[in-house]
Amino acid sequence: DSGVTQTPKHLITATGQRVTLRCSPRSGDLSVYWYQQSLDQGLQFLIQYYNGEERAKGNILERFSAQQFPDLHSELNLSSLELGDSALYFCASSPRDRGSGYGYTFGSGTRLTVV
Amino acid sequence: AQTVTQSQPEMSVQEAETVTLSCTYDTSESDYYLFWYKQPPSRQMILVIRQEAYKQQNATENRFSVNFQKAAKSFSLKISDSQLGDAAMYFCALMAPYSGAGSYQLTFGKGTKLSVIP
Repeated sequence: DSGVTQTPKHLITATGQRVTLRCSPRSGDLSVYWYQQSLDQGLQFLIQYYNGEERAKGNILERFSAQQFPDLHSELNLSSLELGDSALYFCASSPRDRGSGYGYTFGSGTRLTVV
Repeated sequence: AQTVTQSQPEMSVQEAETVTLSCTYDTSESDYYLFWYKQPPSRQMILVIRQEAYKQQNATENRFSVNFQKAAKSFSLKISDSQLGDAAMYFCALMAPYSGAGSYQLTFGKGTKLSVIP
């Protein structure tokens, strides 16, 4: 157990629907990062939050949004889902908002299947 | 922009032998960190080894070691005495400052799938 908790582990939904993925960071970590892992694109950085505020944005679609709450858990909202959004979505956390030699701690991911 | 390239999509190694996974990267920053992550079938991303760019000495963690060539921007992973449990996808990753935002971004290569033959 890495200490980063992601729910649900699996999610199957239809095209056009909206889903919410949840992440609780490791105790003491203030930064949360979201990554999308698909077969053809590898691991793509989506967005980072630090202590409730957005810190960096990567290749996140406009249909996707995220937020970090006062208790530091984060949610990734995916709307108007398309077949191509099927992927493994990872949440990771770190103590600070800048890099360190200790990398990030990853959760076990949410497998999203859009049918 | 920072990039990470892993040129070997798949590799195999005989149990107890040694294998080296290749990685090259590109960044214009002088302050950065390099990592190898392992992703077994369980999907969990597990940190294998890390290297600070300012350190010349190559990092070592038990059977895992790196060959860090800063000038060549190369960061290869050597696994000695390979075990069946080493079979996994291995990702090379670069952490460097992100667009002057004061934050750092972790960028991954596309991975190398390692098979271990009994």
